[in-house]
Amino acid sequence: EAGVTQSPTHLIKTRGQQATLRCSPISGHTSVYWYQQALGLGLQFLLWYDEGEERNRGNFPPRFSGRQFPNYSSELNVNALELEDSALYLCASSLGLFQETQYFGPGTRLLVL
Amino acid sequence: AQTVTQSQPEMSVQEAETVTLSCTYDTSESDYYLFWYKQPPSRQMILVIRQEAYKQQNATENRFSVNFQKAAKSFSLKISDSQLGDAAMYFCAFLAFGNEKLTFGTGTRLTIIP
Repeated sequence: EAGVTQSPTHLIKTRGQQATLRCSPISGHTSVYWYQQALGLGLQFLLWYDEGEERNRGNFPPRFSGRQFPNYSSELNVNALELEDSALYLCASSLGLFQETQYFGPGTRLLVL
Repeated sequence: AQTVTQSQPEMSVQEAETVTLSCTYDTSESDYYLFWYKQPPSRQMILVIRQEAYKQQNATENRFSVNFQKAAKSFSLKISDSQLGDAAMYFCAFLAFGNEKLTFGTGTRLTIIP
């Protein structure tokens, strides 16, 4: 069974640009979560989608947004990139509401120059 | 709000020996889950073990076991017969039932000495 996949593995952007990160959950999983792992800040929760709806978001500005598609894959968009957005972005999936175990993908390394 | 504290930034252990990683947490929730994840240099976060707070029995997965002390809000991970492949960053994480948001500790970097 395929795990969570993410693309691209690496992304280089310049300040002010937009970045789009993609995630495909494990087959049968309906919930997708996004986390940011930045140096010095640890792992922080960004967004949670379930059945196409945004269920919860962390303490991040509105320029961090996303969506979940009918096939449960998800996209994270970061607008007006800032240098401090450079981080590893991890996607996780679970079976859905009240299914507590999250399984992670390999991450996308975003570098903002 | 929940907090998770890992007080050991780095640990090392001789191959085949046993090591224990510490984790404490603070919460007012009564129904929650605790996890240990490992993150090797490849960056992929891998689930090691999970514990439901309502279960008194400590979780075990092969060489990995936990010591869950609910009253003390402590959740340590014991790795027996350490192997070179165990070298990684280990994260303790908390999830309140119905919240679906993992709160992570700052991690412990484990080095295995051959």
